[in-house]
Amino acid sequence: DADVTQTPRNRITKTGKRIMLECSQTKGHDRMYWYRQDPGLGLRLIYYSFDVKDINKGEISDGYSVSRQAQAKFSLSLESAIPNQTALYFCATRAAGTSGGNTGELFFGEGSRLTVL
Amino acid sequence: AQSVTQLGSHVSVSEGALVLLRCNYSSSVPPYLFWYVQYPNQGLQLLLKYTSAATLVKGINGFEAEFKKSETSFHLTKPSAHMSDAAEYFCAVRGSNYKLTFGKGTLLTVNP
Repeated sequence: DADVTQTPRNRITKTGKRIMLECSQTKGHDRMYWYRQDPGLGLRLIYYSFDVKDINKGEISDGYSVSRQAQAKFSLSLESAIPNQTALYFCATRAAGTSGGNTGELFFGEGSRLTVL
Repeated sequence: AQSVTQLGSHVSVSEGALVLLRCNYSSSVPPYLFWYVQYPNQGLQLLLKYTSAATLVKGINGFEAEFKKSETSFHLTKPSAHMSDAAEYFCAVRGSNYKLTFGKGTLLTVNP
């Protein structure tokens, strides 16, 4: 099984619908991230969380919200989806601090492809 | 603030040829640099990372990258391309709070 699991892997929805993308991890990491990937734009950070009580906006948080239900679970919601939110979404995790030689490497899920019609 | 520029959104090479993917960075702190690879329909996988130790870093699948502070570069190379190297490659720099800033990616095509 994958260390970082995203569900659903693919979703097609209509404008105005509420959508939730879920991420769960078995790596025991405290830090979790949601990125959006668009062709030619690379990955852009939407939200990140250092622990259950610490959630922060990234560079493109408008139109999105998140919930950190537990150390291992981090969900991304689109309250009212719009077509320009059509993208590939990635969840990522990393270990906290510098112990064990941690260099900030991110571990990614396989992505959730969202299409908003 | 940190930023990454990947020169060339698409690089095409012949099988067996040298692969060179370019990455220049800007960082207000001593940089930690990463190269990730994304195969079709998959997530990103770490290829290699520079962490202020050796300037020449070796990664998986025969890739390596050299950190050049004077040029603010961290170019990725592989002496001989294989068909299985076809993928998108992302350079990233670590900033404050360990956040990674990614470049826009370079799509590598390998021709038979």
